[in-house]
Amino acid sequence: AQKVTQAQTEISVVEKEDVTLDCVYETRDTTYYLFWYKQPPSGELVFLIRRNSFDEQNEISGRYSWNFQKSTSSFNFTITASQVVDSAVYFCALSDPNQAGTALIFGKGTTLSVSS
Amino acid sequence: NAGVTQTPKFQVLKTGQSMTLQCAQDMNHEYMSWYRQDPGMGLRLIHYSVGAGITDQGEVPNGYNVSRSTTEDFPLRLLSAAPSQTSVYFCASSLQGSYGYTFGSGTRLTVV
Repeated sequence: AQKVTQAQTEISVVEKEDVTLDCVYETRDTTYYLFWYKQPPSGELVFLIRRNSFDEQNEISGRYSWNFQKSTSSFNFTITASQVVDSAVYFCALSDPNQAGTALIFGKGTTLSVSS
Repeated sequence: NAGVTQTPKFQVLKTGQSMTLQCAQDMNHEYMSWYRQDPGMGLRLIHYSVGAGITDQGEVPNGYNVSRSTTEDFPLRLLSAAPSQTSVYFCASSLQGSYGYTFGSGTRLTVV
């Protein structure tokens, strides 16, 4: 069965600190896709990144970076020099072409609070 | 380009009432799905569809029905509302699921 685990329920940091959000996934398939979504206090879900199982290159986008390691089934998300606007709930999700019509399977989310 | 449109945004129902949450997308996406979000539970898949006329159950389908008569629309029906169905409901669509999903703005449902 597929599963996504975000062990950190809540994280609090002070502005300019770096923070890493952990994501561990389970799937038996070799082809799958991993995602991160952001849900700010306004409630909408904002797509951040997509990664397929054959591409283990790390990715950096501004202050955001992602570390994908198949050996440990992890897809961690790091925010460098955090800002108050980064305060949100962050969800890691898994999509498997052989399961549930590729619908996303979400972790329970990590609430990040950044104080000034 | 409206994206994924959900209506209504807010709804209060009495126990036992039925209603339909509407979801429409104008991106010609084949893949659509419904989720519910509850505190501490993340988003859980209720039903999904891979094209017009094709639907299937997700993780938490009990108490909900769906149909997909057109590519654009994917309504979610609550047959007999219960307080346990108080939640925020999100509809999502994707051209091809592995590309990621676009989400609607959500419907906040309260059952009293």
